[in-house]
Amino acid sequence: QSALTQPASVSGSPGQSITISCTAISADVATYNYVSWYQHYPGKAPKLIIYDVNDRPSGVSNRFSGSKSGNTASLTISGLQTEDEADYYCASYASGTTLYVLGTGTKVTVL
Amino acid sequence: QVQLQESGPGLVKPSQTLSLTCTVSGASFSSRDYYWFWVRQPPGKGLEWIGFIYYSGTTYYKSSLQSRVTISLDSSKSHFSLNLSSVTAADTAVYYCARAPRKWEMQGGYYYYYIDVWGKGTTVTVSS
Repeated sequence: QSALTQPASVSGSPGQSITISCTAISADVATYNYVSWYQHYPGKAPKLIIYDVNDRPSGVSNRFSGSKSGNTASLTISGLQTEDEADYYCASYASGTTLYVLGTGTKVTVL
Repeated sequence: QVQLQESGPGLVKPSQTLSLTCTVSGASFSSRDYYWFWVRQPPGKGLEWIGFIYYSGTTYYKSSLQSRVTISLDSSKSHFSLNLSSVTAADTAVYYCARAPRKWEMQGGYYYYYIDVWGKGTTVTVSS
């Protein structure tokens, strides 16, 4: 079954950089450069922070950056701030009958 | 600025049909440039996409939910709807509607998409 696997949690101290991985386990997702990332505070609407692997929407801090190598995409948060404490999800277009995939989600904790 | 707002009953009985509406403002709902999504988040779990619809009425559903899901749209009223039948407690979740730009991949010759705007979500509890 198509899926995007993320670590359940990642933590860091203010000012540090952290990286969240997003690994595709099937070919219908792995070969495409259409990964997007979302920041989600509990009780709020998720917010798009990265699309097309490494593009940032207008208004999103340049502390957020994306990359992809092979079947793993990554989100890096530089200069970690307390406001970055949230859940983060990756997602991707998928071919065939899968159509779309959401990651398992990562809780970021700022120590 | 586009805004999406979910609405519908907050409590549904088991075996009944969950019905939600998403009202879109600030954007052309009839645009060929977007898909319109439903996504949910059960308590303590991650996000799960349910399905999406194109302005033409063409629908796409997650395979595991396909037998119970119907998404429809009313462009004259700028809203689209979700019906989920035969609900159980496992369908208890926060339900989000969202917009996804439709982008042309020139090399591959197909459209891809990603969600760019989300509604604030509405909580639906399935309980007798």
